[in-house]
Amino acid sequence: NAGVTQTPKFRILKIGQSMTLQCTQDMNHNYMYWYRQDPGMGLKLIYYSVGAGITDKGEVPNGYNVSRSTTEDFPLRLELAAPSQTSVYFCASRNDRGNEQFFGPGTRLTVL
Amino acid sequence: EDKVVQSPLSLVVHEGDTVTLNCSYEVTNFRSLLWYKQEKKAPTFLFMLTSSGIEKKSGRLSSILDKKELFSILNITATQTGDSAIYLCAVEARAYDMRFGAGTRLTVKP
Repeated sequence: NAGVTQTPKFRILKIGQSMTLQCTQDMNHNYMYWYRQDPGMGLKLIYYSVGAGITDKGEVPNGYNVSRSTTEDFPLRLELAAPSQTSVYFCASRNDRGNEQFFGPGTRLTVL
Repeated sequence: EDKVVQSPLSLVVHEGDTVTLNCSYEVTNFRSLLWYKQEKKAPTFLFMLTSSGIEKKSGRLSSILDKKELFSILNITATQTGDSAIYLCAVEARAYDMRFGAGTRLTVKP
């Protein structure tokens, strides 16, 4: 099992550019999450999904979009990048019993 | 508004010391509280607590939840340099909606 994988590991964007952060899990988990972590801060929930075709907003959804067409994949889309979106982004998945979240290695995004 | 507050924000101790990390919360429809350890990269799971007063233990780490007073503590005994990390507390505020505290940065000196 690869667990939760994220690509890319690092990315630099210019203001106004768009990009998609990829997240894939091979554990057949229904629940998937996207978080951002700013320096010295905890994680803030951007979006989550409870299964294929179902997504919902978290605490800080503005400027982001998600889709969940399959159980395995949960991409996060930034349409018009802004400097405030400079952060480390973590994807996570969770099993149906809800005992713990498994995190991906993170994507470090810088918007200049 | 849901919130999770951890204290202290940072802590420096020497090997062999015992530390207590605090997490208080105000959330609607509490479902569970989780503790994570974050070293250089992604958080790794430590404990999940749902019932008040029941201690979860794993080696030198233990945690307990008080649902009446809305807080949890994480204890680490006989600390080692490998315990140096950021410890994150998270509360499931609504179904599947996790709220994290800012974390406690623990530094253990030899």
